Amino acid sequence: QQQVKQSPQSLIVQKGGISIINCAYENTAFDYFPWYQQFPGKGPALLIAIRPDVSEKKEGRFTISFNKSAKQFSLHIMDSQPGDSATYFCAASNRKGTGGSYIPTFGRGTSLIVHP
Amino acid sequence: DSGVTQTPKHLITATGQRVTLRCSPRSGDLSVYWYQQSLDQGLQFLIQYYNGEERAKGNILERFSAQQFPDLHSELNLSSLELGDSALYFCASSNTGGQPQHFGDGTRLSIL
Repeated sequence: QQQVKQSPQSLIVQKGGISIINCAYENTAFDYFPWYQQFPGKGPALLIAIRPDVSEKKEGRFTISFNKSAKQFSLHIMDSQPGDSATYFCAASNRKGTGGSYIPTFGRGTSLIVHP
Repeated sequence: DSGVTQTPKHLITATGQRVTLRCSPRSGDLSVYWYQQSLDQGLQFLIQYYNGEERAKGNILERFSAQQFPDLHSELNLSSLELGDSALYFCASSNTGGQPQHFGDGTRLSIL
């Protein structure tokens, strides 16, 4: 059972364009939604994250839009650059156990290619 | 550079064997998390330790075990290896034990 569904699987965008990656979740207990960026040969790196009490969060060219009622969230990359070419993972988590761990459940990833 | 060190980078072994993967967390981080990344399953959480104690457990097989030592480095032991265990294994660390914050570059395990 895939708790976080991510689409598209791959995305090709021209330099300067907008890249949009979508995710949907089932578990209403999720209360933290991070996005990770992974370059080939490297581990994932936390890019930006949002909590469900806000509908949008922007950091530079990266924006998360969040729709709590639809249980959907998306990543927008404005003015996409060739250096943004990477795999992007959405994730969702909630506090687990007595220790307060937030363990992300990851989407399957989107391979983004930005052509110069 | 995330500050998380994983060794070895690559490991090739045969079915039925046992291997140990090592992770040194970012300086100052008390918690380590282990993930398995494969093409068919994606990124799957295995287990988390905080300051030497197990804090959270995911879909970790009984053939797999882990521990965190007093110097905070962690080891993931995989035994009775099967072809399906071929994957990238990532370690991540955090200072608070909440979200994994810093990921290492992984160990690629190939089972022949």
